Amino acid sequence: AQKVTQAQTEISVVEKEDVTLDCVYETRDTTYYLFWYKQPPSGELVFLIRRNSFDEQNEISGRYSWNFQKSTSSFNFTITASQVVDSAVYFCALRPITDYGQNFVFGPGTRLSVLP
Amino acid sequence: SQTIHQWPATLVQPVGSPLSLECTVEGTSNPNLYWYRQAAGRGLQLLFYSVGIGQISSEVPQNLSASRPQDRQFILSSKKLLLSDSGFYLCAWGQAIPYNSPLHFGNGTRLTVT
Repeated sequence: AQKVTQAQTEISVVEKEDVTLDCVYETRDTTYYLFWYKQPPSGELVFLIRRNSFDEQNEISGRYSWNFQKSTSSFNFTITASQVVDSAVYFCALRPITDYGQNFVFGPGTRLSVLP
Repeated sequence: SQTIHQWPATLVQPVGSPLSLECTVEGTSNPNLYWYRQAAGRGLQLLFYSVGIGQISSEVPQNLSASRPQDRQFILSSKKLLLSDSGFYLCAWGQAIPYNSPLHFGNGTRLTVT
């Protein structure tokens, strides 16, 4: 089965704190792709990053960093020195290549609130 | 560059009335198209996806239907709305290949059925 779990339903932090959003996935595919999206209060989902299953190199982009560990089927997202503008719902998604990669499997999302 | 347009942004409809939400994509050809629904405070539920004109796959049995009359146009419809159809509807497009292509979402339609 293809599944994405985001165990943290809601997280609240105070501005400037670091926060990590967890993502655990299940797939029988040996090749797959992982994504993170941000949904601010306006509602539009914004693509943040993608990762291929055969590339375990971690990535840093400004205050954002992603840790992909194939051994634990996790693709966690860390925000360093959080800001109020980071408040949003964050979704992790899996794109297996089963069925020609037509389907994306989304996790339930984690609502992050950054308090001033 | 590619853009996705979805309208209307908000809609209030009475129970039993019809529904038509439209989504168009510009700047790409033969995209995969998707309709998702998000209930308040909940995750994304895939309703329909399409890999080509006239090709629609339904993920959830319900009183909604989808059509793809043109390559870059995707329409979500209902003949009679139910209260449970209220939610935030998102259209998205993606490329069939390469597989590392992400989905790109429209701004969404907030539907309230009264």
